Amino acid sequence: QSALTQPPSASGSLGQSVTISCTGTSSDVGRYNFVSWYQQQHPGKAPKLVIYEVNKRPSGVPNRFSGSKSGNTASLTVSGLQPEDEGDYYCNSYAGTNKLGVFGTGTKVTVL
Amino acid sequence: QLQLQESGPGLVKPSETLSLTCTVSGDSINNNNYYWGWSRQPPGKGLEWIGSAYYSGSVYYNPSLSSRATISIDTSKNQLSLKLSSVTAADTAFYYCTRQDIVTMVYATDSWGQGTLVTVSS
Repeated sequence: QSALTQPPSASGSLGQSVTISCTGTSSDVGRYNFVSWYQQQHPGKAPKLVIYEVNKRPSGVPNRFSGSKSGNTASLTVSGLQPEDEGDYYCNSYAGTNKLGVFGTGTKVTVL
Repeated sequence: QLQLQESGPGLVKPSETLSLTCTVSGDSINNNNYYWGWSRQPPGKGLEWIGSAYYSGSVYYNPSLSSRATISIDTSKNQLSLKLSSVTAADTAFYYCTRQDIVTMVYATDSWGQGTLVTVSS
């Protein structure tokens, strides 16, 4: 199963916004509304769920995090960037019973 | 408070079998709202889903690892295990135990263990 495609890096100034894309296919992102996003602040540290089912936020995640989807591409937007938002972000999509978790390639977000 | 704790050897020789255990506390592995599984991350690289198991015994694997991976659940010990056979250096990674919601936050991994680094080397 092929990984979903994300840009390697993205950046934004403190207080500004950054948007990360996640491109899949009609068999995963395009077919199901089960896209989730994860933040990993340090390599080797456990990721944290920030968006599920395309655009829903778990309890405790700031409303600065939002998600959307159009066709085969999902997006994560972080508004009002804060220093603690730096890290790697991974998307994930359900793609059927035998493909419960196709991850994206990951995007490193830098707050300038 | 849910806790997922991975344990197992940190060093495995090439061609041997990697074996890890995840001890679940704060929830029952019989909880039918979740899949329990494993993901991994080679140092400096991205995340990869290995597989997920349901309390009923159903197990789903990443097709790229299905010939080498075995995931099982021990409900009496509230533990999940992973065995990966014929390992090579490419299997060197942080291995994470995970809980994946299938009811409320559908197919989202809402909990992760702290991860354990397994190095494949002679």
